[in-house]
Amino acid sequence: GAVVSQHPSWVICKSGTSVKIECRSLDFQATTMFWYRQFPKQSLMLMATSNEGSKATYEQGVEKDKFLINHASLTLSTLTVTSAHPEDSSFYICSASFWTSGGRNSYEQYFGPGTRLTVT
Amino acid sequence: AQTVTQSQPEMSVQEAETVTLSCTYDTSENNYYLFWYKQPPSRQMILVIRQEAYKQQNATENRFSVNFQKAAKSFSLKISDSQLGDTAMYFCAFPNYGQNFVFGPGTRLSVLP
Repeated sequence: GAVVSQHPSWVICKSGTSVKIECRSLDFQATTMFWYRQFPKQSLMLMATSNEGSKATYEQGVEKDKFLINHASLTLSTLTVTSAHPEDSSFYICSASFWTSGGRNSYEQYFGPGTRLTVT
Repeated sequence: AQTVTQSQPEMSVQEAETVTLSCTYDTSENNYYLFWYKQPPSRQMILVIRQEAYKQQNATENRFSVNFQKAAKSFSLKISDSQLGDTAMYFCAFPNYGQNFVFGPGTRLSVLP
């Protein structure tokens, strides 16, 4: 259980175009989804936290107009990189968490397989 | 701010041997969870083990166990009988006020045949 998918797994786009990455919780309802960015040989850096039906909370230094996050349902969150530039090339990972029926949250996050974005 | 430190950027261990990865953290919270995640070359993040701070007993999952020292804010991971498939980046993670994770910088573990 607790499977998270991401689509696409990799994408190449031209500078100036926009690209959308989807994150889906396949077998549970995700109350909160997270978007991370990971540079080669580095740790995961949180970009934003999103709760279903509300605006995402962005981390300091992350441009919200460039990285648009939409959490339209309890199973889907999307990250749109607008007007992409080569410096946006990176590995993007989403994760999801949920509250149990007993109202207890173990705070565990379930991760998608990631999306490799290359901007040429 | 909550921080997580992993002081060993890289480690190696012979197959079948035991290795311990260190992690320290800083928090003012009293009840919390701690996690170790593994990221193999596929880059899929995989949960290795989880520890609840209010539990005295150290968590164990098959060959993986932790040494949790709450007062010292230390949370090390021990891998016994290392296998080639254990080769990966290992991240210690701390839920930031119950929400997003703060990850350590990671330890790259290589299991040698």
